[in-house]
Amino acid sequence: QVQLVQSGAAVKKPGASVKVSCKASGYTFTDYGIHWVRQAPGQGLEWMGWISPYNGHINYARKFQVRVTMTTDTSTITAYMELTSLTSDDTAVYYCARGFSSGGTGMDVWGQGTTVTVSS
Amino acid sequence: DIQMTQSPSSLSASVGDRVTITCRASQSLNNYLNWYQQKPGQAPKLLIYAASSLQSGVPSRFSGSGSGTDFTLTISSLQPEDFATYYCQQNYSPPQTFGPGTKVDI
Repeated sequence: QVQLVQSGAAVKKPGASVKVSCKASGYTFTDYGIHWVRQAPGQGLEWMGWISPYNGHINYARKFQVRVTMTTDTSTITAYMELTSLTSDDTAVYYCARGFSSGGTGMDVWGQGTTVTVSS
Repeated sequence: DIQMTQSPSSLSASVGDRVTITCRASQSLNNYLNWYQQKPGQAPKLLIYAASSLQSGVPSRFSGSGSGTDFTLTISSLQPEDFATYYCQQNYSPPQTFGPGTKVDI
């Protein structure tokens, strides 16, 4: 069964960093990229970036470029997203999803989401 | 960046109704347009990819159409489980962008 399982909820103070993990199973990890998408409370979906586990190629949304780092570990078939310099505006549910940089079949498998709360 | 708009932002409908949601892109997408359904507290679910291809396991009452910059999601006969928020998304070029969503309620 193809699935992505994310790490648990996190509470962080302003200025801190958070690192969310996304463990894949049921498919060949290097055949698909991993997108990161976030959703603030009551808001829509916001694309943060994409990484290829095959060659490490990355696309970041301009908004997050200076604060986000996406990585993958093919030995543990896990993707990571680290966001630094957190503010209350970063309070959101963070999702990983399987897909391609462009084209293809969309984001066809999603993680369950990780709630990140930024509060002093 | 490619901007995505959706209309309406919300709609009220009844079980059995035919529902149509429109999505417009700021430039041509070469049909790289996807539709997702999201229910409260759940991750989004892919319904339609490449403008008109039905994702495996998705009921046939869902259909997508359109090309270039204008696209449509149609639910032919609304079912109780279809009350949700629907998002379009372009994967023509990075940054991939989502529409603002259309909430379908009773």
